[in-house]
Parts: sequence; structure tokens; C-alpha cells
Amino acid sequence: KNQVEQSPQSLIILEGKNCTLQCNYTVSPFSNLRWYKQDTGRGPVSLTIMTFSENTKSNGRYTATLDADTKQSSLHITASQLSDSASYICVVSLYTGTASKLTFGTGTRLQVTL
Amino acid sequence: NAGVTQTPKFQVLKTGQSMTLQCAQDMNHEYMSWYRQDPGMGLRLIHYSVGAGITDQGEVPNGYNVSRSTTEDFPLRLLSAAPSQTSVYFCASRKRTETSYEQYFGPGTRLTVT
Repeated sequence: KNQVEQSPQSLIILEGKNCTLQCNYTVSPFSNLRWYKQDTGRGPVSLTIMTFSENTKSNGRYTATLDADTKQSSLHITASQLSDSASYICVVSLYTGTASKLTFGTGTRLQVTL
Repeated sequence: NAGVTQTPKFQVLKTGQSMTLQCAQDMNHEYMSWYRQDPGMGLRLIHYSVGAGITDQGEVPNGYNVSRSTTEDFPLRLLSAAPSQTSVYFCASRKRTETSYEQYFGPGTRLTVT
């Protein structure tokens, strides 16, 4: 069964600190991997998209890495800010030959505190 | 551009009632979809549409109907609401990019069925 597992489930860090969120997947054949940020009460917003040939992608203070061999991805947040408090969702795309199927992780809930 | 809009933002239904969740996008995207988000689970695809007049079932279509008469609108109908349909519903639209596609989510509708 194609799965996407994220860890930790939740995380609390102090403002200004760095953190790394993990995503392990079993989806195959793999097409691309996405990280989304979802603020409370809002829809997910795309942060990064990586194909199997890319091993890192940055978007400001967010840097995603991908190891397609071990089927692992991470999202590193540098110098966290209060506005980074949100859920971060890893999404893996499976290409069936005729359509893309997205498998969503359950997310990591990050809280940044003073 | 307003992006993807959804109405209502909140709704309470009694078991057996029917209703329509509205979704509209002003980006001229051909592909639109509906997801539900439940605690402890990743987003799950309900129905999707690749263009006006064309719809198809996703992962969890039972109890829901869709139609796509225009590019802009993609309403989701609950035929006879059940407590198991208590969830947050997200509409999304998608545009193709050079290497993949970019997906845009609406703000969500929180539905409670009593």
C-alpha cells in the first residue's frame, strides 16, 4: 500500500531556532514530492516541489531535501518565526501512466514560541 | 485574482439533509478537485474534474456528487448527510507547469453533521 509517514507528529521550538521535519514514503513509482504549509483554518499552500532527479529545493527559509533511494525527504526551517506555526504536509505523487495520484501525509504540527 | 473560493465556511447539518458546497476559481484552470481532511488522516480525494463536462471519482466518492458545467465552478453535493461526513472540505484547482503542476487550495468548509 502506498503510504506517506511524517515525523514528528508535533513539535514546539523557540523563535529563532532551526528545525527539521521528516517524511518517509513507500509510494512507487514516484513522480514528485511536495511540501505544503497549512495555517490553522486555511487551505494548504505549496512550499516546494521536487522530482526524483532533484535532491534539494529552497524557498526562502525553507529547504527541502529528497533521497529517492531511501525514500526519505526532510523539510528544514531556518531561523524560525512565529508565523511558521502551522502544519506541514508531505505529499507524494504517483504517476500511473494516465494520471497523477497524490498521497498525503498526516502532517507535522509546528508551534513556534517566544 | 481571488484564487479558489469556497462557501460556506462553516455548516451544520442534521442527518439526512442535503446541501451543496460551492467552489469557484478565477484562474482558468481546467483541473479541479475536492478533498476531505479528517483528524489523524491525510487529505483524501473525493471527486475531480479535468475540464467542463468531465468528472470522475476519487478515493472516497460515496455519498457525494459533483458536476462541472463551467470551467470556474465545481460544486460538491451531499445527497443525504451522515455523521461520517463531518469533516473539513477543501476544493483545489491545478495548473500545469514546465515540469509538473501547481495545485491551489481554497480556504475550506468545516461541516458538522449531527
